[in-house]
Amino acid sequence: DTEVTQTPKHLVMGMTNKKSLKCEQHMGHRAMYWYKQKAKKPPELMFVYSYEKLSINESVPSRFSPECPNSSLLNLHLHALQPEDSALYLCASSQSPGQSSSGANVLTFGAGSRLTVL
Amino acid sequence: AQKITQTQPGMFVQEKEAVTLDCTYDTSDQSYGLFWYKQPSSGEMIFLIYQGSYDEQNATEGRYSLNFQKARKSANLVISASQLGDSAMYFCAMREYFNYGQNFVFGPGTRLSVLP
Repeated sequence: DTEVTQTPKHLVMGMTNKKSLKCEQHMGHRAMYWYKQKAKKPPELMFVYSYEKLSINESVPSRFSPECPNSSLLNLHLHALQPEDSALYLCASSQSPGQSSSGANVLTFGAGSRLTVL
Repeated sequence: AQKITQTQPGMFVQEKEAVTLDCTYDTSDQSYGLFWYKQPSSGEMIFLIYQGSYDEQNATEGRYSLNFQKARKSANLVISASQLGDSAMYFCAMREYFNYGQNFVFGPGTRLSVLP
């Protein structure tokens, strides 16, 4: 069983809908991430939260809005999406934000939320 | 910007045989980390193995080993005694640091198919 839980596993939404993706981890990790993965492509970073503060935003359109209510939870709010936003959205966490270079500080991923925008 | 190259879009291997998946990287940093992840069709990214740039020994984790050649900037994954469950997409990744955090930059991936 994965230690990072993502819900829902599948989501179909229209371009006018508002929905949210949720991610939860209970490993005490202090950094959480959203990645977007299109079919047959590698994951690409969207956002990073370090100690519950947004630290990296990779020029993501404003129709994607991240939120980190506490150290265990990460949400991605979706509004007015386009069909090209259809993808697998992966949440990940790491023990620390990784400013120091010591240790592996591995990313632990969830199973992903597969989003289809009609 | 750092870059990861995986030149094998797809690989086939017979069950119980060993296979090597290639990865080369480009960085000007002295301190860096290299990772391999497995992604089955279910979608989850599963961490396999890590190699730090200052590690003198090649990393090993069970049936996985990393052939790290620093001067050639390569970090190939070796899977011994392949199993049918090893069929998946494999991504090589490098960690890059920002002021306030880290990102993992992934290569394009190699799809491995294990044949019975």
